[in-house]
Amino acid sequence: AQSVTQLDSQVPVFEEAPVELRCNYSSSVSVYLFWYVQYPNQGLQLLLKYLSGSTLVESINGFEAEFNKSQTSFHLRKPSVHISDTAEYFCAVINSNSGYALNFGKGTSLLVTP
Amino acid sequence: GAGVSQSPSNKVTEKGKDVELRCDPISGHTALYWYRQRLGQGLEFLIYFQGNSAPDKSGLPSDRFSAERTGGSVSTLTIQRTQQEDSAVYLCASSLALTNSNEQFFGPGTRLTVL
Repeated sequence: AQSVTQLDSQVPVFEEAPVELRCNYSSSVSVYLFWYVQYPNQGLQLLLKYLSGSTLVESINGFEAEFNKSQTSFHLRKPSVHISDTAEYFCAVINSNSGYALNFGKGTSLLVTP
Repeated sequence: GAGVSQSPSNKVTEKGKDVELRCDPISGHTALYWYRQRLGQGLEFLIYFQGNSAPDKSGLPSDRFSAERTGGSVSTLTIQRTQQEDSAVYLCASSLALTNSNEQFFGPGTRLTVL
């Protein structure tokens, strides 16, 4: 079985400060890793994903995440956040040999204030 | 183009009643998924469909839950004899194909409240 742990349920941060949202997973086989974002009153959107290759992946709005196999982590980072980044962020995993359903963490609420 | 749509957006029902939730996937997407999100929890997988293949029902929490997908497009999730613990946001997603790496596109969800 696999599980996804998002270590922080809420992360308050000031505008233009750096942020890291933590995600750890447990799996005995290779995985595909995803970060989804849910802005207020909107549906879930894919932010970025790791499938293979370079362990550092980036989104178009300045977020990046690094796959660390030894630490089984896929933390999401941004060097300088904006008010508009306020949202719920979900880490998700698909096990390479156990199906196609996303296994989600409980989410981290990022609140950016001036 | 149009995204995944779900109806109704909100549903309030009394305990013991049956409810039907509808999902319209993105045109051309062959894979369709149902998840639910209970308050304070992450999203839980319920069921997925791929074309005309038998669905993977491994996530359905009880036999009160069922889903069908007609004509490989629209899907309906039915909950019979609803219980208060069924209160959640039910999310539908679709993807081009059933692979590990295909992006799943999510609908806005149906918020179900069982009184």
